[in-house]
Amino acid sequence: DAKTTQPNSMESNEEEPVHLPCNHSTISGTDYIHWYRQLPSQGPEYVIHGLTSNVNNRMASLAIAEDRKSSTLILHRATLRDAAVYYCILRDLNSGGSNYKLTFGKGTLLTVNP
Amino acid sequence: EAQVTQNPRYLITVTGKKLTVTCSQNMNHEYMSWYRQDPGLGLRQIYYSMNVEVTDKGDVPEGYKVSRKEKRNFPLILESPSPNQTSLYFCASSEVAGQGVTYEQYFGPGTRLTVT
Repeated sequence: DAKTTQPNSMESNEEEPVHLPCNHSTISGTDYIHWYRQLPSQGPEYVIHGLTSNVNNRMASLAIAEDRKSSTLILHRATLRDAAVYYCILRDLNSGGSNYKLTFGKGTLLTVNP
Repeated sequence: EAQVTQNPRYLITVTGKKLTVTCSQNMNHEYMSWYRQDPGLGLRQIYYSMNVEVTDKGDVPEGYKVSRKEKRNFPLILESPSPNQTSLYFCASSEVAGQGVTYEQYFGPGTRLTVT
């Protein structure tokens, strides 16, 4: 499986934008880039996903590099509730049921300061 | 409200005493899965199911059983729990997509199991 690399931790101030980077230099053409987050004492939660183009939803934006070897999750205005571990995950959708598995790495622990 | 529920949320048991952790989803999802989360090891998949009566092993299936008799339920069974199965367990569900399409996975709140 293609792997992702994320910083272990990042810190932000409340109401400021946060850019969470992810490197995936061995990404294949059929890999989608997914982001999940896990708030303290909760199960993982879907944030956003994309293939080639930048994506926006109500939670965040996803900026994907032109060569797809890196991506950035953007939280436009961080709140205290955004403090969580953020996971960048690649999913190949052309290989059957086993690829519904999400392979979680260590993720980035985001701390939001008031 | 779309949700995945797990019961119990917390369980302390003794070695060898059979237990079942239930998982139920109300979204009519075909795909369901169990993960365990351990410090330093992240989340690892135990078993998954693509539909009723269709289950398959994940990365760490030893010591676990599952069944999928109904679409909404996917119980995790530990026939003879051991201390190394002490962990935080998550159930997840998702629609099954066609080629090249992806859907988000919904996770339950977790079950913290301690085996002494």
